Amino acid sequence: AQKITQTQPGMFVQEKEAVTLDCTYDTSDQSYGLFWYKQPSSGEMIFLIYQGSYDEQNATEGRYSLNFQKARKSANLVISASQLGDSAMYFCAMRERVGRGTSYGKLTFGQGTILTVHP
Amino acid sequence: GAVVSQHPSRVICKSGTSVKIECRSLDFQATTMFWYRQFPKQSLMLMATSNEGSKATYEQGVEKDKFLINHASLTLSTLTVTSAHPEDSSFYICSAVLGVETQYFGPGTRLLVL
Repeated sequence: AQKITQTQPGMFVQEKEAVTLDCTYDTSDQSYGLFWYKQPSSGEMIFLIYQGSYDEQNATEGRYSLNFQKARKSANLVISASQLGDSAMYFCAMRERVGRGTSYGKLTFGQGTILTVHP
Repeated sequence: GAVVSQHPSRVICKSGTSVKIECRSLDFQATTMFWYRQFPKQSLMLMATSNEGSKATYEQGVEKDKFLINHASLTLSTLTVTSAHPEDSSFYICSAVLGVETQYFGPGTRLLVL
């Protein structure tokens, strides 16, 4: 079963506008973490933002914010004031707890969304 | 700055040769590192979990004897693609956990097997 779903293969946005990239997830764990990464054409995976399942506030990092709706199991990324340099592939990922300890389990990735910012 | 380095960034080799890729955590110790593989325009697929001082845990369908992983120290994990063939050509990327809220990736290695 697909644990992370990104339904938008590609998105287009005008420079300086905001854009939302969708991500839904599936888990039976109560404790988990959600990540967003940006992958430009160079291939490097750039960490953007993290949301813990117990965090009550939506995570924010500069122009990035995560719209976390736990009941709907969604963790959408919002990029405000888009810039040309934001054009890249974006991945949503989830880490579930391993066992009862604090071991950090593997990340499961969504299919990715290619964002293109137009001038 | 980068917290995880990977070497080499790009390698071209002949079919049948072995290729070693190094993943290093910079300025922090990583008891666990992960190795992923990515084909163009696709998502990252986890290959194995590398644990310092113990055997790697491989994902289903990944050949252990083909993709040898050695986590020799708390800052170094290596992936060796043995007897590489053209179908092994891919983008290989490692990651290390720094804390609950962070997991950093190396810059990746592009492997081309001729």
